[in-house]
Amino acid sequence: AQSVAQPEDQVNVAEGNPLTVKCTYSVSGNPYLFWYVQYPNRGLQFLLKYITGDNLVKGSYGFEAEFNKSQTSFHLKKPSALVSDSALYFCAVRAPYSGAGSYQLTFGKGTKLSVIP
Amino acid sequence: NAGVTQTPKFQVLKTGQSMTLQCAQDMNHEYMSWYRQDPGMGLRLIHYSVGAGITDQGEVPNGYNVSRSTTEDFPLRLLSAAPSQTSVYFCASSYKNYNSPLHFGNGTRLTVT
Repeated sequence: AQSVAQPEDQVNVAEGNPLTVKCTYSVSGNPYLFWYVQYPNRGLQFLLKYITGDNLVKGSYGFEAEFNKSQTSFHLKKPSALVSDSALYFCAVRAPYSGAGSYQLTFGKGTKLSVIP
Repeated sequence: NAGVTQTPKFQVLKTGQSMTLQCAQDMNHEYMSWYRQDPGMGLRLIHYSVGAGITDQGEVPNGYNVSRSTTEDFPLRLLSAAPSQTSVYFCASSYKNYNSPLHFGNGTRLTVT
């Protein structure tokens, strides 16, 4: 079974500093990895994905994520945090295709990012 | 494009009542799914569908029913509401392309008393 761990419930960072939100995964085979962001009282919004290829993936709003196969990690990063980045961030994994049930996307429990002015 | 539309936004039920949460998408997505979000639990998959007439169970299907008669609509039925079903429910859809990201609705906040 596939799983995702986000080891930090909350991350605090000063505005202008770099930020990292951590994610590790467990899946059989090559993973499909996603990051989503959730603002208060809203649904999740897609940020970026890793399917194959370059280990550094760039996404929306200046975010990027680094895939590390040996450490089974997919950490979300941004060089300079903004107050408006404050939100709940979710990492998600999908196993390699093996039938209709493979479409299931398994989410981590989320990390609350607070950017302090 | 409206995207994924969920109704109602809020609902309060008494234990034992039934209701249907509506979900509609206008992006011609084949894949649709229902998740529930609970504090500290992340999102858990309830049911999903890969096309009209095809549905299957996710991680937490008990107490919920779904059907998919059209590509656009994927309603979630609570058969006999229980306090444990108090949660925020999200509908999400995507193309059946395996690397397509999910598009989420804005959620339905359900309270069962």
